[in-house]
Amino acid sequence: DQQVKQNSPSLSVQEGRISILNCDYTNSMFDYFLWYKKYPAEGPTFLISISSIKDKNEDGRFTVFLNKSAKHLSLHIVPSQPGDSAVYFCAANRKSSGDKLTFGTGTRLAVRP
Amino acid sequence: DAGITQSPRHKVTETGTPVTLRCHQTENHRYMYWYRQDPGHGLRLIHYSYGVKDTDKGEVSDGYSVSRSKTEDFLLTLESATSSQTSVYFCAISEAGELSYEQYFGPGTRLTVT
Repeated sequence: DQQVKQNSPSLSVQEGRISILNCDYTNSMFDYFLWYKKYPAEGPTFLISISSIKDKNEDGRFTVFLNKSAKHLSLHIVPSQPGDSAVYFCAANRKSSGDKLTFGTGTRLAVRP
Repeated sequence: DAGITQSPRHKVTETGTPVTLRCHQTENHRYMYWYRQDPGHGLRLIHYSYGVKDTDKGEVSDGYSVSRSKTEDFLLTLESATSSQTSVYFCAISEAGELSYEQYFGPGTRLTVT
């Protein structure tokens, strides 16, 4: 049972435009959400996170939005740059599970120059 | 960058042989994790450790065992490798007590079982 879903396996965006990556979850007990970026042959790197008590968190060009009623979160990258081309994973945590994360399947973002 | 190394970085082995992957950290973090990454599945937790000699199973633990005798080292063993265990394996660490639940990942080990 996939509790965290990224239904778009890939996304292509023009440089300078907005990239929107989506993530849905089914477990209402999740209370913390994270986005990771992964380049080929490297480990995932933490990008940005949001607590369930917030609906938005911003860090430079990256903004994460959380809609708890829809069990949906999204990552906005503005403006998109070619160096943003990578696989993006969303992940979720619930306090009762300790520090364990549940990951989505990933979305491959390609930013065209 | 978090001080996490994995060894070996690449390994090819035959079905039925035992394999041990090593994760080493220099951050003195309490929590350590082993994941596997496969197409269409994302990252799936195999085992994790919340302290020396304290380990527990993740969602895909069958066929794997772990050991943690020192804070800095977390070993993943495939007792008898199978082709279904061909994957990229990532180790991660995190610090207990923080509210952010961030995990920091190593560079990965690509394992091929023939």
